[in-house]
Amino acid sequence: SAVISQKPSRDICQRGTSLTIQCQVDSQVTMMFWYRQQPGQSLTLIATANQGSEATYESGFVIDKFPISRPNLTFSTLTVSNMSPEDSSIYLCSVWAWNTEAFFGQGTRLTVV
Amino acid sequence: GNSVTQMEGPVTLSEEAFLTINCTYTATGYPSLFWYVQYPGEGLQLLLKATKADDKGSNKGFEATYRKETTSFHLEKGSVQVSDSAVYFCALSTIKAAGNKLTFGGGTRVLVKP
Repeated sequence: SAVISQKPSRDICQRGTSLTIQCQVDSQVTMMFWYRQQPGQSLTLIATANQGSEATYESGFVIDKFPISRPNLTFSTLTVSNMSPEDSSIYLCSVWAWNTEAFFGQGTRLTVV
Repeated sequence: GNSVTQMEGPVTLSEEAFLTINCTYTATGYPSLFWYVQYPGEGLQLLLKATKADDKGSNKGFEATYRKETTSFHLEKGSVQVSDSAVYFCALSTIKAAGNKLTFGGGTRVLVKP
């Protein structure tokens, strides 16, 4: 299995500010995935983070709003920039183990006021 | 593109009742299918999976069979407990060069009452 630690677990932020979420995995993985879960909704993939290259963003998500870093094979950060109340969501980091199963972090519950 | 449709909740049941959550999918190629569970205040956990047609995934009394002919992966449990109260997500993945991206259904909230 893969153990994923996300920080912070929750935060309340002022609109217009930015928050950086950290994701640490206990093993080396090629790809890390960032998802958003809006209140009462399902999960939507934001981007795929590859070590040594730029992240690949899904339709509707842009790098200026959600910059991602991937400095090594066990760590990634997602920044939510210039936040508005519509960004209030749970943000989850995910990795695949042995190409057969996805593991998720506990999530970061963000509230923008 | 890929998509997953699952029945909307909430589903409210009494303890020991039979649970079914319907899930159908649209995908190119031959996806792997998953059920994830999210207990209150927790992250997602894999409940069960199936990687090819007619496979049956099972775990904790839950079962789901990969039905290619009906593009379905319905989740069932014969006798639910209060501890099964959670949100259940059906999901699929197709192996792509970009990695194992998961496509999720909308989630079904299940509430089991004593």
